[in-house]
Amino acid sequence: QSVLTQPPSASGTPGQRVTISCSGSSSNIGSNTVNWYQQLPGTAPKLLIYSNNQRPSGVPDRFSGSKSGTSASLAISGLQSEDEADYYCAAWDDSLKGVFGGGTKLTVL
Amino acid sequence: QITLKESGPTLVKPTQTLTLTCTFSGFSLSTSGVGVGWIRQPPGKALEWLALIYWDDDKRYSPSLKSRLTITKDTSKNQVVLTMTNMDPVDTATYYCAHSDSGIGALAFDYWGQGTLVTVSS
Repeated sequence: QSVLTQPPSASGTPGQRVTISCSGSSSNIGSNTVNWYQQLPGTAPKLLIYSNNQRPSGVPDRFSGSKSGTSASLAISGLQSEDEADYYCAAWDDSLKGVFGGGTKLTVL
Repeated sequence: QITLKESGPTLVKPTQTLTLTCTFSGFSLSTSGVGVGWIRQPPGKALEWLALIYWDDDKRYSPSLKSRLTITKDTSKNQVVLTMTNMDPVDTATYYCAHSDSGIGALAFDYWGQGTLVTVSS
């Protein structure tokens, strides 16, 4: 059971906007920044969002992140078929450990 | 550009010790703020953070695995080594090493290796 809670699945149609939630606690999301990773089938994870809402170079602005209290969200606008992947949130915990969410499988219908 | 690559055995027996090496290029582990972490993923399951070593040799371990893990660095060889003792079939997973920089925040790994699948079986 993961420390950060994500919905196991999400879906949307092309062009739609979808959001994925990530719930934690005061010791992780509540006091540290949140990162999001995208993992395409059979590949290594890719950093999608860091420091709650920052996009690394090359990540389309269709991807955005936000944080409020002990929860965070990843939003994908203008959904595309190539966005079909697993998405993970991650944060540092004040107990001196890194924690990941359980992952959300995004299906583009 | 930054690249990382994991190497080590693909099959280990229960109770054995696993030694994985991450060989990297494009950055130095003696540069302030830089770190290399290890993350694993059992087949069909979620990512799990294992350990992290920083440029100043500060080391952090997953509390649940701390007694079994050791992370070290060899700056001259551009390598980070992770050892895990007393391997069990539940440790079967793809093991990734990844680059981090304090400039982009804790647990933000911006470059990843391709991963190496380690199977624990007798």
